Amino acid sequence: KQEVTQIPAALSVPEGENLVLNCSFTDSAIYNLQWFRQDPGKGLTSLLLIQSSQREQTSGRLNASLDKSSGRSTLYIAASQPGDSATYLCAVPPATDSWGKLQFGAGTQVVVTP
Amino acid sequence: GAVVSQHPSWVICKSGTSVKIECRSLDFQATTMFWYRQFPKQSLMLMATSNEGSKATYEQGVEKDKFLINHASLTLSTLTVTSAHPEDSSFYICSAPRAQNTDTQYFGPGTRLTVL
Repeated sequence: KQEVTQIPAALSVPEGENLVLNCSFTDSAIYNLQWFRQDPGKGLTSLLLIQSSQREQTSGRLNASLDKSSGRSTLYIAASQPGDSATYLCAVPPATDSWGKLQFGAGTQVVVTP
Repeated sequence: GAVVSQHPSWVICKSGTSVKIECRSLDFQATTMFWYRQFPKQSLMLMATSNEGSKATYEQGVEKDKFLINHASLTLSTLTVTSAHPEDSSFYICSAPRAQNTDTQYFGPGTRLTVL
């Protein structure tokens, strides 16, 4: 059974520092991995989607890497801003035949202080 | 961009009553939608898959008679929490894939259910 773990559970950094968020998964037979952002009491906003054939994806200040063989993904956020404060979730399909379904990690709660 | 809405955004009800939550895709058709539940300080847990024109499929441990799902049209899925109890209090979020051949999904803003 697929398990998704995110470390650290919480992170607080001063504005301007780079953020490094980690996600690990136990079953490497995934066909994609996604990173989401969740603001308190809100739904999810998709940040990046990495297909299994890709090693990284970039969008603005965000960069996500994927190493299937080691079961890891890392989300980098450059030059953090207070507006980046949120919970970041990674998610993978729970099984190879589970299109559309997602299994989420517990998230990393990020606070960027001015 | 595509938007998924949920209604209501929050609801408070008495124990034993039923509550209906709607999930709508606003500018695209969704033959499949997914329902998640999120307890405080925890991650999202998939509850069920809502299929237009057929029965929903439930994840292990989710009571199908308690969480009734109806995919009434290509843009609407409803989740009814029947005979709600305080332990059902949670944040319920739906999602809808943009199309059948894509991994892109859009999430609703969530519904906060509090059962007294």
